[in-house]
Amino acid sequence: EAGVAQSPRYKIIEKRQSVAFWCNPISGHATLYWYQQILGQGPKLLIQFQNNGVVDDSQLPKDRFSAERLKGVDSTLKIQPAKLEDSAVYLCASSPRGVSGANVLTFGAGSRLTVL
Amino acid sequence: QKEVEQDPGPLSVPEGAIVSLNCTYSNSAFQYFMWYRQYSRKGPELLMYTYSSGNKEDGRFTAQVDKSSKYISLFIRDSQPSDSATYLCAMRGAAGNKLTFGGGTRVLVKP
Repeated sequence: EAGVAQSPRYKIIEKRQSVAFWCNPISGHATLYWYQQILGQGPKLLIQFQNNGVVDDSQLPKDRFSAERLKGVDSTLKIQPAKLEDSAVYLCASSPRGVSGANVLTFGAGSRLTVL
Repeated sequence: QKEVEQDPGPLSVPEGAIVSLNCTYSNSAFQYFMWYRQYSRKGPELLMYTYSSGNKEDGRFTAQVDKSSKYISLFIRDSQPSDSATYLCAMRGAAGNKLTFGGGTRVLVKP
């Protein structure tokens, strides 16, 4: 079974520029998550999709972050304009449908963003 | 106060020793408890999860949950240098899928 694919792996941008990250979840996984992991901290949920609908985006800074999951498969996370504090690893994860599915998240390797 | 607290370490042990990791939490609604392992520059990898209180064993790993004390533990027996990683606890309530993670404990197993 192929894992969760993410790209790019690394990105360096100037503050106020924009950046986009892409995620392809495990085939058949209905739920897709974007997490932000700042160095030395645990992951923090930014947004959760069930198929192509948003389930939870309460911690997404909506003035600068946006995400979409077209056709219930791939997803993109965009930051515009970026701030210094957005420097972090952006992790995509997916899980099977159902209550117990939420206990078995599979993470991608992450996209490391550095904002200068 | 953070919802889930975890000692950041680093925790350094000799090969073959028992590694003891723990997390405390404040939200009594948490019902499911997970442990993830994260190698440098990799995503977290699920080790095991437990429901409510009790113990669960999987190979060299044992997870314990004490809901009365709001305290969970992970023990790694016969530790190997390949166990060197950051260990993250995570938990969620019965409803919804949102996981709350601890900050992670960095473990170093020395040969």
